[in-house]
Amino acid sequence: EVLLVESGGGFVQPGGSLRLSCAASGFTFSGYWMNWVRQAPGKGLEWVASIQQDGSARYSEDAVKGRFTISRDNARNSLWLQMSSLRVEDTGIYYCVRGAYEGDYWGQGALVTVSS
Amino acid sequence: EIVLTQSPGTLSLSPGERATLSCRASQSVSANFLAWYQQKPGQAPRLLIFGASRGASGIPDRFSGSGSGTDFTLTITRLEPEDFAVYYCQQYGGSLPWTFGQGTKVELK
Repeated sequence: EVLLVESGGGFVQPGGSLRLSCAASGFTFSGYWMNWVRQAPGKGLEWVASIQQDGSARYSEDAVKGRFTISRDNARNSLWLQMSSLRVEDTGIYYCVRGAYEGDYWGQGALVTVSS
Repeated sequence: EIVLTQSPGTLSLSPGERATLSCRASQSVSANFLAWYQQKPGQAPRLLIFGASRGASGIPDRFSGSGSGTDFTLTITRLEPEDFAVYYCQQYGGSLPWTFGQGTKVELK
């Protein structure tokens, strides 16, 4: 069974940092692109960042460039999102998602709240 | 950046009725890399359709996708009570790997 389990969410003040983790199991992690997608409260889905199977290619949306970094460790079946200089508008649920062209498996999400 | 526009914003229907959801792209979607997701309150999205018309694993056959280029449709032939949810389209390609539509809510009439 494919499982993606996020952790590391929480409450942080503007300007602060958080590191989200995603533990993958039930599939060959090194064979898949991985992604982070977020959802602000009551809003739609927003792609955040993607990383290629071996980590050699990474992409992120303009709103988080220079502040968020996606990374992975295939030996540990783990994906991370390092978030710094957090803003109120970064508040939302962050999903770990498997797939290159579409997201075929999603984690349950990690809630990030940025507020003073 | 390809912008996806979904319509209608809300669809009010009764169980057993047919639902037709539209997703229009601002530019042609390469190789029909267009997917549809269902999201229920408090849950993560679930992949329904990929490649514009291919059903994901375990998805009932009352869900079908069609279209190409810039115009895509998700059809639910006979709504079941569990189908009332929000539906998103998503495309792959261009300078941003993924973009999503704003969603269509299918609600009970």
